Amino acid sequence: AQTVTQSQPEMSVQEAETVTLSCTYDTSENNYYLFWYKQPPSRQMILVIRQEAYKQQNATENRFSVNFQKAAKSFSLKISDSQLGDTAMYFCAFILTTDSWGKLQFGAGTQVVVTP
Amino acid sequence: GAVVSQHPSRVICKSGTSVKIECRSLDFQATTMFWYRQFPKQSLMLMATSNEGSKATYEQGVEKDKFLINHASLTLSTLTVTSAHPEDSSFYICSAWDRVNTQYFGPGTRLTVL
Repeated sequence: AQTVTQSQPEMSVQEAETVTLSCTYDTSENNYYLFWYKQPPSRQMILVIRQEAYKQQNATENRFSVNFQKAAKSFSLKISDSQLGDTAMYFCAFILTTDSWGKLQFGAGTQVVVTP
Repeated sequence: GAVVSQHPSRVICKSGTSVKIECRSLDFQATTMFWYRQFPKQSLMLMATSNEGSKATYEQGVEKDKFLINHASLTLSTLTVTSAHPEDSSFYICSAWDRVNTQYFGPGTRLTVL
């Protein structure tokens, strides 16, 4: 079975600063996707970034980037130039490509608070 | 972009009644949808996989007679919480994958059982 671990329950960062969220996962499979989702106070789940395991290049989306270390089974998210609107719960998630785009396995989440 | 909607967004009901929650994919067809439950400050817990034209697949520990799922069309899945009790109060979220393997989540339904 696959597991996803987020060891930071809460992170605080000042506006314009950078924060890094950690995520580790455990799987014996080789083909999978990893995601970071954001859940603001509205509770709408929003896809932040995704990474295909077969790609060595780290994914980036504007101010969001990941550090994907496949051998270490680590998938951290860096938020640069933090903005007040980045305040949200962030979930790391994993899916096997053999699951026919089925079940996402979520981590416990990290609450990010951006302060002025 | 693709959108998934849920209705209602909030519902309050009396203990013992049944509540139906609808999940719709608005501009794409979804043969499979997923239902999650989320308690405050916790992660999403997958309850079941809704399959168009066939029976839903429930996760271990989820009572299928309690949480009835119907996926009657390629754009609609419904979750019915039968004989609801206060412990069923939670935030319920549905999701669906589009054809380019992006998962979209509905805005969620807050259920309060009195």
